[in-house]
Amino acid sequence: TQLLEQSPQFLSIQEGENLTVYCNSSSVFSSLQWYRQEPGEGPVLLVTVVTGGEVKKLKRLTFQFGDARKDSSLHITAAQPGDTGLYLCAGNQAGTALIFGKGTTLSVSS
Amino acid sequence: DVKVTQSSRYLVKRTGEKVFLECVQDMDHENMFWYRQDPGLGLRLIYFSYDVKMKEKGDIPEGYSVSREKKERFSLILESASTNQTSMYLCASSMTRPQHFGDGTRLSIL
Repeated sequence: TQLLEQSPQFLSIQEGENLTVYCNSSSVFSSLQWYRQEPGEGPVLLVTVVTGGEVKKLKRLTFQFGDARKDSSLHITAAQPGDTGLYLCAGNQAGTALIFGKGTTLSVSS
Repeated sequence: DVKVTQSSRYLVKRTGEKVFLECVQDMDHENMFWYRQDPGLGLRLIYFSYDVKMKEKGDIPEGYSVSREKKERFSLILESASTNQTSMYLCASSMTRPQHFGDGTRLSIL
């Protein structure tokens, strides 16, 4: 059973467009993290959200944790080719290891 | 910055061989993890460890074992390699929530 569903699975857009990636679950998480992975490298942590309704910004990236702590979204404004990569969400439940979604592969062309 | 180092970026082995994948972290983290990453399947947890000489099975431990004799080192062992173990292997470490990943080992079993 996949506890964290990410959508879309693939996204191909032009430079300058906006996009949103979703991470949904029927389970409650104590925290949720977003990672970006580039080809041939390991995932790199972008942000951790902890509080329901929390919004965090990282330059052109905006992360939101749902009020009920069951879902999260990542919004990228004015995407650039350097944003290309695999975006992974991962949820933390008490007493367990991280649960990862399958990821969203983003391709931004110039 | 946390550094997680995996001993090999690329590795080619033959079926039936015993394969060792090594991972070292330099931040005195208590928790260490081994994942495999396959297209369409995301990251799947193989084994993890919360302390020296301690190990816990993840979601897909069959065909693998681990060793943690020192806090900074976590080894993944393929007892008798098979072609279905061809994959990208990722090691991670953490103190609490965020996990820090190595760059991965792309293992091919011929």
